[in-house]
Amino acid sequence: QVQLVQSGAEVKKPGASVKVSCKASGYTFTSHYMHWVRQAPGQGLEWMGIINCGSGGTSYTQRFQGRVSMTSDTSTSTVYMELSSLRFDDTAVYYCARLVGAHPLSYFDYWGQGTPVTVSS
Amino acid sequence: QSVLTQPPSASGTPGQRVTISCSGSSSNIGSDTVKWYQQFPGTAPRLLIHSNNQRPSGVPDRFSGSKSGTSASLAISGLQSEDEADYYCAAWDDSLSGWVFGGGTKLTVL
Repeated sequence: QVQLVQSGAEVKKPGASVKVSCKASGYTFTSHYMHWVRQAPGQGLEWMGIINCGSGGTSYTQRFQGRVSMTSDTSTSTVYMELSSLRFDDTAVYYCARLVGAHPLSYFDYWGQGTPVTVSS
Repeated sequence: QSVLTQPPSASGTPGQRVTISCSGSSSNIGSDTVKWYQQFPGTAPRLLIHSNNQRPSGVPDRFSGSKSGTSASLAISGLQSEDEADYYCAAWDDSLSGWVFGGGTKLTVL
């Protein structure tokens, strides 16, 4: 069965970087795109960007341009999301989510369990 | 401020039918299909509806979705206590070249 297992909780200081992993299993890793979505405490869902797990091609939402980097390791079926220059308002739970289908019929069908990231001095 | 607009809260009694609305624009709902996600506190979102009105296997047929123009709705019939959760709509936005979500609706079963 499809599983997305993320790395554990992180606590970082402002200005630092955090790297979150998402290990996929149960399907052909390189055949899908993976997205990253975050959720600040008590807030809604915010899309961050997408990575083609096969080619490594990426697209990020403008809000995170220059601060986010998504990479894919096909040898371990793992994607990574690194966010730099952390600010207090980056405190959130970060999710990876698999995309299936082609536009306009695409959707996120499986999600990781989430990785809490706390930015605190 | 979310791109898609949802009411912050909704409520109903067991057995009732409730609907949650999601309003967007021509660049998102108007040109994409709508997805709905259910989220319980402390857990990841779960796909409830895709392609406007399609339920993945395992989702009870009490849940249904519809879309008209630039708006969509999620209906829950025969409301049960375990339906108490947050619900989010989502779509691709052509203008923003990214995925957008509604702000979420907290459903309370009275």
